[in-house]
Amino acid sequence: DAGVIQSPRHEVTEMGQEVTLRCKPISGHDYLFWYRQTMMRGLELLIYFNNNVPIDDSGMPEDRFSAKMPNASFSTLKIQPSEPRDSAVYFCATSERRSDTQYFGPGTRLTVL
Amino acid sequence: GQSLEQPSEVTAVEGAIVQINCTYQTSGFYGLSWYQQHDGGAPTFLSYNGLDGLEETGRFSSFLSRSDSYGYLLLQELQMKDSASYFCAVMKPTGSGNTGKLIFGQGTTLQVKP
Repeated sequence: DAGVIQSPRHEVTEMGQEVTLRCKPISGHDYLFWYRQTMMRGLELLIYFNNNVPIDDSGMPEDRFSAKMPNASFSTLKIQPSEPRDSAVYFCATSERRSDTQYFGPGTRLTVL
Repeated sequence: GQSLEQPSEVTAVEGAIVQINCTYQTSGFYGLSWYQQHDGGAPTFLSYNGLDGLEETGRFSSFLSRSDSYGYLLLQELQMKDSASYFCAVMKPTGSGNTGKLIFGQGTTLQVKP
């Protein structure tokens, strides 16, 4: 299997622009997680899905952030409008059922100027 | 609230043994996991303790004691490639009873020297 695929790997944008991050999970994995990692806040869970349904979005920082999973093969995390404080590495991870193991994608390094 | 505490940095020499501790202030979790992250890379799963006691996987072992709110990761026969950040994480139930989410510690940076 190709593992979790994320795109783009790097994104540089200006404040106020819309940013869309994409994730393709490992086939057959029922759970999909979006994380954000910064030096100050560490690795934070933003939202996760089970069978394409959002289960817990309590980590989504504010209304500027939204996530969707229209089908089992694709998820997006959108930031609109983006702000410099959104600069971070965003990881998508997936797991099988309520597995103890999560498989992380390579991440998207976002820089908002 | 819930928090996990780890040392921020640990340094050891090649071939040595190092223990990275994780203490937590939370309850009602499924288990304690450990992830490794190399600089610029993604976290990768190392080990999981659902029950108290020691779990061994090659050079790495992990331990959990729920009564002491404590766990550790033990790395033996250290190699240069073990230089990385190590995160402990608890799996907390959320939503329906069959789902959970990981809460990560701040991570420990391990530097292995020749």
